[in-house]
Amino acid sequence: NAGVTQTPKFQVLKTGQSMTLQCAQDMNHNSMYWYRQDPGMGLRLIYYSASEGTTDKGEVPNGYNVSRLNKREFSLRLESAAPSQTSVYFCASGRGASNTGELFFGEGSRLTVL
Amino acid sequence: GNSVTQMEGPVTLSEEAFLTINCTYTATGYPSLFWYVQYPGEGLQLLLKATKADDKGSNKGFEATYRKETTSFHLEKGSVQVSDSAVYFCALSDWVAQGAQKLVFGQGTRLTINP
Repeated sequence: NAGVTQTPKFQVLKTGQSMTLQCAQDMNHNSMYWYRQDPGMGLRLIYYSASEGTTDKGEVPNGYNVSRLNKREFSLRLESAAPSQTSVYFCASGRGASNTGELFFGEGSRLTVL
Repeated sequence: GNSVTQMEGPVTLSEEAFLTINCTYTATGYPSLFWYVQYPGEGLQLLLKATKADDKGSNKGFEATYRKETTSFHLEKGSVQVSDSAVYFCALSDWVAQGAQKLVFGQGTRLTINP
């Protein structure tokens, strides 16, 4: 049972380059999320998708775009990477409105922007 | 907005010591509360949760009680092991638009257990 799968696990970019982080879940969850983790700041929500076909901004959306491709997949795109986007990115999924709020996380994608 | 404040780390203990990691929250309504653990190089895993006041969550010898009167959810373990070395995150659930819930996290506490 794979759970939440993210690719790539590691990436190095130069300032101004673009890239897409991919995320897929096999738990038939309705909601999906992208968080970033920075030292001393915990995890901060970038974007979320409450259900297939919807997306919405979280706390730190600037410089990112997302696509909910279908119920399973939720991608995060950096159009023009900046050093401030160096971080570890986590995708998560959850059951949605009927749930206690528990989220299931992928293993993370470590991004370095030079 | 809703927020979580965790005990500053890092925390270093000897094996078999008693552990407490403090967590307090600010929230409107009655959120669910969680402790997640992140082992080195891995993603976050749910350690335990509590969904209403006075509930006690427990798992792997860890416990935390949802205290509404003190808005706290402190993590405790009676005798820690080297394998408990990890980063621990306290979090609360928060309803967002369209029926989804997000998690709001504390800053994390790095725990190191020495043999």
